[in-house]
Amino acid sequence: QQQVKQSPQSLIVQKGGISIINCAYENTAFDYFPWYQQFPGKGPALLIAIRPDVSEKKEGRFTISFNKSAKQFSLHIMDSQPGDSATYFCAASSYNFNKFYFGSGTKLNVKP
Amino acid sequence: GAGVSQSPSNKVTEKGKDVELRCDPISGHTALYWYRQSLGQGLEFLIYFQGNSAPDKSGLPSDRFSAERTGGSVSTLTIQRTQQEDSAVYLCASSYTLGLGNTIYFGEGSWLTVV
Repeated sequence: QQQVKQSPQSLIVQKGGISIINCAYENTAFDYFPWYQQFPGKGPALLIAIRPDVSEKKEGRFTISFNKSAKQFSLHIMDSQPGDSATYFCAASSYNFNKFYFGSGTKLNVKP
Repeated sequence: GAGVSQSPSNKVTEKGKDVELRCDPISGHTALYWYRQSLGQGLEFLIYFQGNSAPDKSGLPSDRFSAERTGGSVSTLTIQRTQQEDSAVYLCASSYTLGLGNTIYFGEGSWLTVV
């Protein structure tokens, strides 16, 4: 059973556009939702994270929107740049769990 | 060290041979994870260590895979009698105890190719 479902699998956006990646989770016990960015040949790196007590968190051009009732959260990349081209993973975890559950990843390609 | 360190960064081995992959977590991190990432795919959980507790081995794909963590720090992932389908990037990550700071930090991975 996939705990975190991520879409789309791939995304092509023009420079300056908005990139949107969506994730949905099943377990209401999850209380921490990070996004990771991975460049080719590198390990994933934490990009931004949110807890369910807020509906939105913004860091620079990156924003997480969180909908607790729908059990969904999304990553918005404003003014997307070619340097944002990478694979993005959403994840979920909880104080009571021993592991992070990752989505299947979204490969973003920002065209100049 | 400043980050999670993994070695070797690349390993080519013949089918049937055993391999050992090493992970040195961030100092002070009590939790250590191993994930596997096949080419272009997502992150597959393998095993989790937390302090002196029994590891969560629920993600290990077969009994050819094993891992240990010595002294609560360095971990070794061992794959016995490697198969071609074991070819992947093996990522190690570490974190503080969940609840105190959930962020996990990944190493750069060990790229394993079985020929």
